[in-house]
Order: sequence, then C-alpha cells, then structure tokens
Amino acid sequence: EPEVTQTPSHQVTQMGQEVILRCVPISNHLYFYWYRQILGQKVEFLVSFYNNEISEKSEIFDDQFSVERPDGSNFTLKIRSTKLEDSAMYFCASSDRVGYTFGSGTRLTVV
Amino acid sequence: GESVGLHLPTLSVQEGDNSIINCAYSNSASDYFIWYKQESGKGPQFIIDIRSNMDKRQGQRVTVLLNKTVKHLSLQIAATQPGDSAVYFCAENTGGGYQKVTFGTGTKLQVIP
Repeated sequence: EPEVTQTPSHQVTQMGQEVILRCVPISNHLYFYWYRQILGQKVEFLVSFYNNEISEKSEIFDDQFSVERPDGSNFTLKIRSTKLEDSAMYFCASSDRVGYTFGSGTRLTVV
Repeated sequence: GESVGLHLPTLSVQEGDNSIINCAYSNSASDYFIWYKQESGKGPQFIIDIRSNMDKRQGQRVTVLLNKTVKHLSLQIAATQPGDSAVYFCAENTGGGYQKVTFGTGTKLQVIP
C-alpha cells in the first residue's frame, strides 16, 4: 500500500537554528499538507499546498515557516529560527480524490 | 520536562465487547468525515470515512454513524481487541477530501484483556 514517507523520524535542534523536515508524498497525489501535534494535544493544520503554491495556511504558519516542493517527489517544511514551543510531532499528508494519507511524523525537539 | 496536554476522555472496554466512540462537530458545512486511529509515537491512521449524503457506513469490524441534525458522529468497533487500544480522532473537512482536515480532541480507548 502506498505510504507517505517522512525523514528524519526524530530531530533535535538548538533554539534559533533552522530545520528542514522532509516528506515524500504518495506519487500520484496532488495535494500536500503539514500538520503538527504538540505532546498530548490534537493534531493541528499548518498548511496545504497545491499546484506549487500554498492554498491555505493557519495562524500557526507564520513567517518563520515555509514549504517547498523542490523536485517532483519531495515536499519540505522549513522552520527558519526554531523556538522551544515548536517542539512537536510534525505530520505530512497527501491526498487525491479518493484518499488522504498521513506519514508517521517527525518528532522535533527544540532545546 | 513534558508539557501538560489536554486531558483525553478515556473509554475502557473489555476485550470482546463492542466499543462506541462519540464525536460532536461544529461546522455544519462539513461534508466529509473521517475517523483516525493514532497509536503512541505514530501518525494518524485512516480507519473509515463517510460523506454527508450518507448516515451509516460499515467497514471491517467498524461502523460509522453520522447524524447531521445534531452534528454527531460515532465509531462503533465490534469485538474489541487489545490491538484496538489507541487514541481515536474524528475529523472533518469541507472539501470532499481535498482540503485541510480539522481534528477533534480525541478519545483514548483502553482494551482490558
């Protein structure tokens, strides 16, 4: 069964550093998303991406965040200057007309 | 140290019994609903979905019921097994599957062997 693949599974970074979280969506999906889940809380929408541009973003997705589809397979989330409160699980998802699939997530720990 | 998160409602069920997990949604424009299962340290895993033109949908051991009048969704798991222990989230969207998904707060299901 096709999967959404995320790397790394765990990232530890110093506060103020830049991080890039990587995702490989399902190959024939056209819609891509990032969500985050702070420990013990519900999954929150960050951003959706379609046709090489952001289609919707939440209040959480401020100027510190950016997304990119640098080639035909990868979809990345960049956090420019990490803060302690950015520590969370970050989930990538992709969808088409039929399915909506999440990756296993990257656990980001900011110290 | 660990942050204090939301207190999740917990449902404890004996192995072999049926489980019913309930969810209320708020957006009357939502037309697509999904139940996800999340095990510790993993991403949300799709269980079953239902569109707003239906009121019931069955899968393998799972049934989703949708009551649009009171904006209520339920997930029924038949013959609950230890492997069903997880947090269950209902989710909704308005784009028929293309747009963002809005998650509920989740219910923790504990299966007692």
